[in-house]
Amino acid sequence: EPEVTQTPSHQVTQMGQEVILRCVPISNHLYFYWYRQILGQKVEFLVSFYNNEISEKSEIFDDQFSVERPDGSNFTLKIRSTKLEDSAMYFCATSREGPSEQFFGPGTRLTVL
Amino acid sequence: AQSVTQLGSHVSVSEGALVLLRCNYSSSVPPYLFWYVQYPNQGLQLLLKYTTGATLVKGINGFEAEFKKSETSFHLTKPSAHMSDAAEYFCAVSEVSTGAGYSTLTFGKGTMLLVSP
Repeated sequence: EPEVTQTPSHQVTQMGQEVILRCVPISNHLYFYWYRQILGQKVEFLVSFYNNEISEKSEIFDDQFSVERPDGSNFTLKIRSTKLEDSAMYFCATSREGPSEQFFGPGTRLTVL
Repeated sequence: AQSVTQLGSHVSVSEGALVLLRCNYSSSVPPYLFWYVQYPNQGLQLLLKYTTGATLVKGINGFEAEFKKSETSFHLTKPSAHMSDAAEYFCAVSEVSTGAGYSTLTFGKGTMLLVSP
């Protein structure tokens, strides 16, 4: 069964460093999303991406964040200068159509020291 | 703006007992509703979804949920709990945006289901 994969599973970084989180979507999916879950809190929407551009973003997704699909397969989330409060589990999700079921990856746990 | 409220951050049941996890939503348009389950150190797995049509939807692992528009609810039930059902459960709502037709999910805070022998 096809699945969404994410790397790395755990990333530890120093405050102020740049991190790139990677996601490999299911092959025939066209819509891509990033969500995050701060420990003990609910899953929050960050950004959606379709046709090589951002479709929608939340207020969390400020200028420190960016997304791209550099090689037509990987879908990446970049945080330019990490802050302590960026520590969270980051989930990638993909769907074949906009309103259809979103399939989630296993997540990347980001720890900012 | 859409929102989801899950009553009870923790629910404890005995094995074999009825499972009831509550979810209420608010949405400005007819919503799509989802229940996801998260096992420790894993991602979110879809249990079931309501889009249109029959208001009682059945999902995996014996779970079902009923969409009640008048009560703005989408409670999750299972007649008989198994130890393997112990996990965190998230209710989510989606509104279909016009134009590209994409949608984003708004999640509740989650309910941890504890199952005792």
